[in-house]
Amino acid sequence: GENVEQHPSTLSVQEGDSAVIKCTYSDSASNYFPWYKQELGKRPQLIIDIRSNVGEKKDQRIAVTLNKTAKHFSLHITETQPEDSAVYFCAASTGGFKTIFGAGTRLFVKA
Amino acid sequence: EAGVTQFPSHSVIEKGQTVTLRCDPISGHDNLYWYRRVMGKEIKFLLHFVKESKQDESGMPNNRFLAERTGGTYSTLKVQPAELEDSGVYFCASGLQGAGTGELFFGEGSRLTVL
Repeated sequence: GENVEQHPSTLSVQEGDSAVIKCTYSDSASNYFPWYKQELGKRPQLIIDIRSNVGEKKDQRIAVTLNKTAKHFSLHITETQPEDSAVYFCAASTGGFKTIFGAGTRLFVKA
Repeated sequence: EAGVTQFPSHSVIEKGQTVTLRCDPISGHDNLYWYRRVMGKEIKFLLHFVKESKQDESGMPNNRFLAERTGGTYSTLKVQPAELEDSGVYFCASGLQGAGTGELFFGEGSRLTVL
């Protein structure tokens, strides 16, 4: 069935360094790839998304890249700050009504 | 504008008991989803409502789970009888568009612990 693999499960970086989270999806029909951030005790919130007709999208310190051939997509956070510490979830959808999520990456940014 | 609200935030019950979780979506959002996250694992799809109709309930684990959305507003998810493996955080999310085309707005989740 549909599946999204996410790595790493935990990531620890020093403040100011970059962080990269990688995901792969199984359904080649997937065409919408959102990323959600869940801070401790709070709800998941959309931080950025990318559609299959685009290879890269950037919003300030965060960027997403998509490789449709390899069925890979990644989240890049530059100049990390302590407030970036959270659990990040990647997801993939075929454009219908179901979104399949990865298992999440817990990011720690050490000051 | 109020966000998606869920009740209760935490429920502790014994195996065999019944629990009902409630979700109030953002007003005007026709699409309502239930998801579940077991610790360390993915946010797993359970089902999707469009207004009061079940669009997709392929993720519901078994017939111990019953979801309703009478009148197309709030939704309830009942687990009866609860088993140990039902423990986890149940998220509700709503959206104007289908999940494949736009943002999902999540509630803070209902943490269910079955002892």
